[in-house]
Formats: sequence, C-alpha cells, structure tokens
Amino acid sequence: DAKTTQPNSMESNEEEPVHLPCNHSTISGTDYIHWYRQLPSQGPEYVIHGLTSNVNNRMASLAIAEDRKSSTLILHRATLRDAAVYYCILRDRPFGNEKLTFGTGTRLTIIP
Amino acid sequence: AAGVIQSPRHLIKEKRETATLKCYPIPRHDTVYWYQQGPGQDPQFLISFYEKMQSDKGSIPDRFSAQQFSDYHSELNMSSLELGDSALYFCASSFRDYLTDTQYFGPGTRLTVL
Repeated sequence: DAKTTQPNSMESNEEEPVHLPCNHSTISGTDYIHWYRQLPSQGPEYVIHGLTSNVNNRMASLAIAEDRKSSTLILHRATLRDAAVYYCILRDRPFGNEKLTFGTGTRLTIIP
Repeated sequence: AAGVIQSPRHLIKEKRETATLKCYPIPRHDTVYWYQQGPGQDPQFLISFYEKMQSDKGSIPDRFSAQQFSDYHSELNMSSLELGDSALYFCASSFRDYLTDTQYFGPGTRLTVL
C-alpha cells in the first residue's frame, strides 16, 4: 500500500482555519485519499475523501495537489470539538482495498 | 440515525480466559470490520466480512476467530488471552458502494486482561 506522511502534531487557535497536510508521493492512479479523525475515547470518524478534484462537505474541505502527491485537509473554523487525531489514508478504489490502514496521524490541539 | 453497536463496552478477563465481543452493524450495511487499538497506538485492522463471508484478514492472531451471522451481526472470539491483548476493539460497518464505502465505527469495547 502507498504510504502517507503527516506531522505528528499541530496546534491551532479556536475559530481560526486549520490546514492539515499529508504527503503521499507514491500514490497510484487508482488511490482515493480518505481522511478520518478520532476524537478522544471514541472510534474513528469519516471526514472526507477525494480522488483528483478538491472536495467540500459540511465538516471540511480537501485540497488535492495537481500531481496528487500531497493533499491538505482544511477545517474552516476550528472549534474545541475538532481536537482529535486526524488520519490521511489511501485506499485503492472503493472496492479494491476494504481495510483502513491507519498510519501515525496528526494530533490536533485547539487552543481556546 | 442508527449507529454501530458494540457490546460489552468494557470487559475484564484473566490471562488464558476467553472473551467474545459483539458488533451490530448499521441496518442494511453488508460489511463488518474489526480493528484493534493498543494503548497509545493507532488502530490496526484485524479482519472483515462481506455478506457473511470473510473478505480480508490482517494481523489477527490464530487465537482469535470471528464470524458474521445471518442477521449481519459479528462476533470476535478471543481465546487464551494474553496481557498484550488488552486494547480497544472497534467494529466498523459499511455498505459496499462504488462511490464511497465509508466505514462507520462503533464506540469500541475496552478489553483489559489481568
């Protein structure tokens, strides 16, 4: 499986935008970029996913580099409830690779 | 909206005992996954089932077995428990869809082996 690299930790002030980077230089053409997060004492939670184009949903935006070797998860206005570990995960097509392979995600701390 | 249900939420066992963890997926979801998260670690995939058949297998010890039943609930059976089996066990479910295949996780079962 292609690997992803994320910073171990990041801090952000409450109510400000947060940009969480992910490098995936060995991504293949059929890999989807998924983001999940794990709030303290909870199971992981789906955030967003994309293939080539930038994506928006009610939780976040996903900006994908033109060469697809990196992506950025954007939380437009961080709240204390967004404090979590964020995982960037590559999946080979929705059907092709069922399991989620969690690497070392980014622990996001929100400063009130 | 209905979520994934796991039971029990907490379980304490002695070494060499057995444990059974249960997972009830979201209605109409056809795929169940099991993950293990040790203290301070990231979740690791154990095994998955699609339409009651094992579909993928990760680093699951031979002491562990799992199955998915006709009502789609799944059970993870763990025998000869070891101290290192102490972890959070998450179950996730999904509906195999060409576009998304999003996994929805349960709250987890915390297993403590003494």
